[in-house]
Amino acid sequence: QVQLQESGPGLVKPSETLSLTCTVSGGSVSSGSYYWSWIRQPPGKGLEWIGYIYYSGSTNYNPSLKSRVTISVDTSKNQFSLKLSSVTAADTAVYYCARADTATLFDYWGQGTLVTVSS
Amino acid sequence: QSVLTQPPSASGTPGQRVTISCSGSSSNIGSNYVYWYQQLPGTAPKLLIYRNNQRPSGVPDRFSGSKSGTSASLAISGLRSEDEADYYCAAWDDSLSGPVVFGGGTKLTVL
Repeated sequence: QVQLQESGPGLVKPSETLSLTCTVSGGSVSSGSYYWSWIRQPPGKGLEWIGYIYYSGSTNYNPSLKSRVTISVDTSKNQFSLKLSSVTAADTAVYYCARADTATLFDYWGQGTLVTVSS
Repeated sequence: QSVLTQPPSASGTPGQRVTISCSGSSSNIGSNYVYWYQQLPGTAPKLLIYRNNQRPSGVPDRFSGSKSGTSASLAISGLRSEDEADYYCAAWDDSLSGPVVFGGGTKLTVL
């Protein structure tokens, strides 16, 4: 059974960089045709796809966030990470990591972590 | 503003059948599969329907999905109180909006 767990600071100051890590267990980030993804949900609002890193290492980002987003992978730790720069209050959200493939899209999700942007 | 359009709310009484619509375009629903997620309060979304109408193991057959052209629907029959949740549609998108787009979500209330 694949499990994902987000970790990182729950509070980030405006203009700084948000950094989160997703630790994967029960599966490998470097095998299989999977897209290791980040999705966020502002309080009381809907889901927004942020981006993914493919098992081969290639990335794809939401065009609206592309200039501020970097997703990377650490195969030695079986983790993938999100960096979102120049954050504002609008980036306050629950951030989820998830696994996707072309058949089932997002089949496994982390529990989510709330990140608040505030001084 | 979400790329896929869903009604913000839906409701039904126990035992009823309810449907939730999801409208898109030729670049997403019109040319790719549709997926549905259920999000219970305070929890992460859960995959409910994949590839338009397929249910993962463990999802009751009360839940069904369909697609026609650039629109899709989720139907829930024999409505139960535990079905009260937010429901989201999603699809791969071949345009500059993509490659993954979500609907804005529909809050289902069981009266």
